[in-house]
Amino acid sequence: SQQGEEDPQALSIQEGENATMNCSYKTSINNLQWYRQNSGRGLVHLILIRSNEREKHSGRLRVTLDTSKKSSSLLITASRAADTASYFCATRGADGLTFGKGTHLIIQP
Amino acid sequence: DGGITQSPKYLFRKEGQNVTLSCEQNLNHDAMYWYRQDPGQGLRLIYYSQIVNDFQKGDIAEGYSVSREKKESFPLTVTSAQKNPTAFYLCASMSTDTQYFGPGTRLTVL
Repeated sequence: SQQGEEDPQALSIQEGENATMNCSYKTSINNLQWYRQNSGRGLVHLILIRSNEREKHSGRLRVTLDTSKKSSSLLITASRAADTASYFCATRGADGLTFGKGTHLIIQP
Repeated sequence: DGGITQSPKYLFRKEGQNVTLSCEQNLNHDAMYWYRQDPGQGLRLIYYSQIVNDFQKGDIAEGYSVSREKKESFPLTVTSAQKNPTAFYLCASMSTDTQYFGPGTRLTVL
């Protein structure tokens, strides 16, 4: 069963613009993570935010977490062509991670 | 050079054949996972192992089997009982909270 649900399913923006994608989940979590997947490759861990944190930054990435709304957002600032990928949120459960279906981000040059 | 390796990258199989996908890690992680990914979809958990000689079924274990005889290795066998095996298969290991993924194996049934 999938815990996280990303929104939108797909997003196309111009290079240099900011990209925002959202994740909603259903049950209580210890932490929420975001991963990136380039076409035909494995997933790469981007950032982890714990349930007692509200915002976290890593380079051009900004993640927020609202546990009252059971939602998180990932903001990529000053997008680049290399940011074109699928982005997945994942929540930590007893058996490991549960992934959403992902947001496919396309950066237009 | 630490990480997770999967082989082969591409695999073609005839209907009715069993195939085994390799997954090796040198990260010294106890937990390992197998996922299946279909086009435009998220990851679905097939099997996972939290320690050597132990493994558990995930959400879609039917038609698959695994073994965990060594900490470094977690091979997945796709059996002829799997009705729709064409997919992208990802192996991962886990440290505390973060998963580290291999590059994947794309299996096509002819």
